[in-house]
Amino acid sequence: DTAVSQTPKYLVTQMGNDKSIKCEQNLGHDTMYWYKQDSKKFLKIMFSYNNKELIINETVPNRFSPKSPDKAHLNLHINSLELGDSAVYFCASSPRDREYGGYTFGSGTRLTVV
Amino acid sequence: AQTVTQSQPEMSVQEAETVTLSCTYDTSESDYYLFWYKQPPSRQMILVIRQEAYKQQNATENRFSVNFQKAAKSFSLKISDSQLGDAAMYFCARGSGNTGKLIFGQGTTLQVKP
Repeated sequence: DTAVSQTPKYLVTQMGNDKSIKCEQNLGHDTMYWYKQDSKKFLKIMFSYNNKELIINETVPNRFSPKSPDKAHLNLHINSLELGDSAVYFCASSPRDREYGGYTFGSGTRLTVV
Repeated sequence: AQTVTQSQPEMSVQEAETVTLSCTYDTSESDYYLFWYKQPPSRQMILVIRQEAYKQQNATENRFSVNFQKAAKSFSLKISDSQLGDAAMYFCARGSGNTGKLIFGQGTTLQVKP
């Protein structure tokens, strides 16, 4: 199926651990994103990559490091996890340029830090 | 600040009736896009409708339509013939024509009463 797929869907981990969330899209889109949805359901962009190049980095702590090995993949690595990192993380993709109506979201990864 | 505001945290509608969700935004860009997303309890982000700012005609998708007032920076969503499956959280979002990033409103939880 054509989609944006994220793994894992749920992640429970202890404070101080390092974890990664993987994202892959087979839509042929050039741009990929990471969004964070906090406990109040507010969604905010974290990063954006266009064809493996970092485009947006929204005042995210250095503990968060995105990696894009190719334009179909955008992974998120988080070091030294903190309680405040608990949230739902969404990966998304879109075609480039003016076709931004083509956003497709993954199903989200619920991260719980205990 | 480039913000998106949804002033109605919660709305309810009787099944088969019509409901309108409000959204206002602020931007200095001339090239941008507007979206309504639906997020049911499954947390999947589902695109409901999109509007290009350069188009004057209001977008329509079956039972969903928008009232786009560009000068007033207003973008409301009208749901006609509401169905139980419409119950969800609805997010208004503005997409940058330059970077593609989405700025979301706070969300409106819609309850549909049978």
